[in-house]
Amino acid sequence: TQLLEQSPQFLSIQEGENLTVYCNSSSVFSSLQWYRQEPGEGPVLLVTVVTGGEVKKLKRLTFQFGDARKDSSLHITAAQTGDTGLYLCALEDSSYKLIFGSGTRLLVRP
Amino acid sequence: SAVISQKPSRDICQRGTSLTIQCQVDSQVTMMFWYRQQPGQSLTLIATANQGSEATYESGFVIDKFPISRPNLTFSTLTVSNMSPEDSSIYLCSVGFGNTEAFFGQGTRLTVV
Repeated sequence: TQLLEQSPQFLSIQEGENLTVYCNSSSVFSSLQWYRQEPGEGPVLLVTVVTGGEVKKLKRLTFQFGDARKDSSLHITAAQTGDTGLYLCALEDSSYKLIFGSGTRLLVRP
Repeated sequence: SAVISQKPSRDICQRGTSLTIQCQVDSQVTMMFWYRQQPGQSLTLIATANQGSEATYESGFVIDKFPISRPNLTFSTLTVSNMSPEDSSIYLCSVGFGNTEAFFGQGTRLTVV
């Protein structure tokens, strides 16, 4: 059983469209990280959310941490082809190990 | 921050052989982690490698199959032993600094034929 479930698993959209990716857990976590991985590369951190209800913006990306700290979302406005990649949510356990969600593979078509 | 060099970047290996993947970090770090990423999947933690102690393996991974070395604070190796096609994956090393960003190597894409 995956500790962090992401949805959708795969998303194919046209450039300019908006999209939302979800990360859900049955457990409460103290913080959550979002990473993006491009082909042939390792994941790169986009943001860390810490406070329940927190909203963080990174250009066209908006990250939200649920009030109960059991879920998070990533919204992309006006997607571009450069947004294509694998989006991963992750939490750090008490041993500083990163546990990744199931991932959402995004394809933005020109 | 940390810059991680991982090699080889890719390899094609015969079944039954072993491959050692190297991970070099540009700064001293206590904790290094090895992950496996199967085709189209997310990352799964294989083990934690701390300098001066035995690696700690996650459920489903054993030392005989994935021996790890950690000779100093900037270097680690992961060996994939007695390979089978099911071991075809991307293997990534990572470092973290506790409750902050994790940094990853670019990965080693392994194909076992």
